Formats: sequence, C-alpha cells, structure tokens
Amino acid sequence: GQQLNQSPQSMFIQEGEDVSMNCTSSSIFNTWLWYKQDPGEGPVLLIALYKAGELTSNGRLTAQFGITRKDSFLNISASIPSDVGIYFCAGQPTGNQFYFGTGTSLTVIP
Amino acid sequence: SAVISQKPSRDICQRGTSLTIQCQVDSQVTMMFWYRQQPGQSLTLIATANQGSEATYESGFVIDKFPISRPNLTFSTLTVSNMSPEDSSIYLCSVVPTGQGDIQYFGAGTRLSVL
Repeated sequence: GQQLNQSPQSMFIQEGEDVSMNCTSSSIFNTWLWYKQDPGEGPVLLIALYKAGELTSNGRLTAQFGITRKDSFLNISASIPSDVGIYFCAGQPTGNQFYFGTGTSLTVIP
Repeated sequence: SAVISQKPSRDICQRGTSLTIQCQVDSQVTMMFWYRQQPGQSLTLIATANQGSEATYESGFVIDKFPISRPNLTFSTLTVSNMSPEDSSIYLCSVVPTGQGDIQYFGAGTRLSVL
C-alpha cells in the first residue's frame, strides 16, 4: 500500500526548542491525522485535520493541512522531555483506508 | 473516542505455535483494523476485520497465516498461525468509531516474540 514520506526521520533537540516535521504524499488526501507513540504503547491521536489550509492546535502542538492536500506539517513549541517519542502522520484519501508515514523519532535533551 | 482493550499485552511463543490476540471496544465501531509494526518501523495494515464476513487482507497477508474473526461490532480477534521468529512484532488493533469515519484509534498493542 501507499506510504507517506515523513521527515525528518529523527531529531535530537534541546529542551525548550521548537520542533517541525512534515509529511508528503503523491496523492490527495481528505484527512490528515497526527499520532504520537511512546515505547510499548499504541499510537495516540494528537490532531485531526479535515480541510486544505486548516490550522489546528492542541496545547503546544500545531498542525496544518497543506493547501495542495498532499502534505501536512506538525510543530511542537517549547519542547519538554515528555515530548520524546515517535510521531506518525496518517492520511485518508477516500473511503476507509488510512496510510501511515514512516515516523519521526524525537529525542529531547534536558 | 473509543476505549480499546487488547490482550495479551505481550507474549513469548515457541516456533510453530499459534497465538490469538483479542481486541474489545467499549462502543460500537464502524471499522476495525489489524496492523503490524516491526521494531523501529511504521505501521503496516494486515487486514480490515469485517463484521459477519471474511476479513479483507492487504497484499502480502493471507487468511491461512492471519485468520481474523469479527463476530460483532465491538470485538475482533487476530491469530498469528504457525509462528516463526520473523513474526516477532507489535500487533495493533485499531477502530473507527461509528459516525467518525475519518478518525482512527489504536489499542496499546501486543508485543510478540517468537523463539
């Protein structure tokens, strides 16, 4: 199945720094989702996006649905140690199929 | 949202045996999916669990190896059959709640190690 290109693959940042990651697809999507996965756990939904250009926040997290509908972005402001984990994007073109990104591993150095 | 209970949370199994993983949801859901996540990798869809009928498998996954049941709208099982070390992975159940066709929620996963 289709896989989304997610970058960067990994990030090592200092506590307090901002983080940006993105996800791109060769196809148009109607929905973009962002998840965080902690070690030993399932992915937890962070933000859902439904319209091109939409900008949605969840605390220190902000995500945007790209205007082309082929990409999405996630920003984390003022990172803290508990932000550590793997972040996945997921896109839904039509119907019920979801496609997942390759993941961004985030390490926050205190 | 939906509360998903997945059992077992982890298991260590011998080669050649089978393991059945259960997924129970606290409310009726439209769709249930089973994913595999190999260490350090993204999620790969195994199949869509269809209520009352055969599951829909993705390329590379077959019913004989991964039989799936979904007897009702809140419960599904995935069996990993005739296991080999290559089946060592995390298996995840996910659901799309009724009326939320564009949101998917995950269980905590089952960590499987095959010796």
